[in-house]
Amino acid sequence: QKEVEQDPGPLSVPEGAIVSLNCTYSNSAFQYFMWYRQYSRKGPELLMYTYSSGNKEDGRFTAQVDKSSKYISLFIRDSQPSDSATYLCAMRKAAGNKLTFGGGTRVLVKP
Amino acid sequence: DTAVSQTPKYLVTQMGNDKSIKCEQNLGHDTMYWYKQDSKKFLKIMFSYNNKELIINETVPNRFSPKSPDKAHLNLHINSLELGDSAVYFCASSQDSGGRAEAFFGQGTRLTVV
Repeated sequence: QKEVEQDPGPLSVPEGAIVSLNCTYSNSAFQYFMWYRQYSRKGPELLMYTYSSGNKEDGRFTAQVDKSSKYISLFIRDSQPSDSATYLCAMRKAAGNKLTFGGGTRVLVKP
Repeated sequence: DTAVSQTPKYLVTQMGNDKSIKCEQNLGHDTMYWYKQDSKKFLKIMFSYNNKELIINETVPNRFSPKSPDKAHLNLHINSLELGDSAVYFCASSQDSGGRAEAFFGQGTRLTVV
């Protein structure tokens, strides 16, 4: 079993809908949580960064971390066709600098 | 200005050849990484360098040898390339101080071994 699990999708939504993405993890030592967006044939682009439990909002993006459930979420409001990409969650322990990634969820926003 | 840049973007080569990928970051970060992304899009760390010192060396064949001439550069040399080495290789960097842990990635090098 992988340390970080993420549904591969694809997740197809109509333009304007809310996109809801999530990851579960097994290692309670993870303290830093990130969401990356990756367009086809491009590098991962950092979207959101959170430390420990709680919520963080940045424009149309909201990241939530629930350490008690070992569950993190990313919500994209008012989704646009340009949001169509693969979304990767990543996490890191307090010590060390290795990022552990989920397998990514492919999102398609249809006009 | 590109923050993390790697060259070449595409690399097609025959089995048995030796090839290198170069990476440079202009973010002033102390730590640099090589990640491998397989055909299923799974990203996995290979190496990590902090101030030119090897910190992480995952279970990677010793045909792969990273080299960091200074903290802004991290190169990856691959000897005796095999078909299974075909993947996208990403360079990344992070600061790892002041409570910041996020990594910034380059655009990737798509390696195809034929």
